Amino acid sequence: ILNVEQSPQSLHVQEGDSTNFTCSFPSSNFYALHWYRWETAKSPEALFVMTLNGDEKKKGRISATLNTKEGYSYLYIKGSQPEDSATYLCAFVQAGTALIFGKGTTLSVSS
Amino acid sequence: SAVISQKPSRDICQRGTSLTIQCQVDSQVTMMFWYRQQPGQSLTLIATANQGSEATYESGFVIDKFPISRPNLTFSTLTVSNMSPEDSSIYLCSALWGELFFGEGSRLTVL
Repeated sequence: ILNVEQSPQSLHVQEGDSTNFTCSFPSSNFYALHWYRWETAKSPEALFVMTLNGDEKKKGRISATLNTKEGYSYLYIKGSQPEDSATYLCAFVQAGTALIFGKGTTLSVSS
Repeated sequence: SAVISQKPSRDICQRGTSLTIQCQVDSQVTMMFWYRQQPGQSLTLIATANQGSEATYESGFVIDKFPISRPNLTFSTLTVSNMSPEDSSIYLCSALWGELFFGEGSRLTVL
């Protein structure tokens, strides 16, 4: 059974803090790693799709890194804002399979 | 990008009843998927909805419990049959359009 682990499960930070989350996945038969942002009552929104070991992607204050050999990805948020409050999901893909999601990290940012 | 409309957004249902969730995509897509997120759990793939053929179900999900229709390339329905409290979840439809896009989800509570 393929397992995707995310930590921490939840996180509460103050506005302006920088933070990071971890996604761990099987290192065999890697195809892609997706990060999604899911706000309450909205659709999950794709942040990044990462395919290459050593990939680093950035979108505004959010960035992600990928290590396929050891099976982990980090998501970083610099200078957190209240609007960053959401659940961040990672999903692992092996070739020919559907996305397997972790349980998510729920971020709460206080102003 | 693809815009996905899903309804109902939420419902409270009685044990033993069935509910059909509708998913409309604003573009023709080949692959549509139905996911479920039970409280505290990962997003889990129920089935892949194929246009013109039967849906492909993941392990642990069966057609009698979750019948799916896919009459054309922009529409799909998922029925949750003979509901029990364990079926209380968020049900998400998604479509592959370059990347995976999601509807806003249907939050079902079964009493």
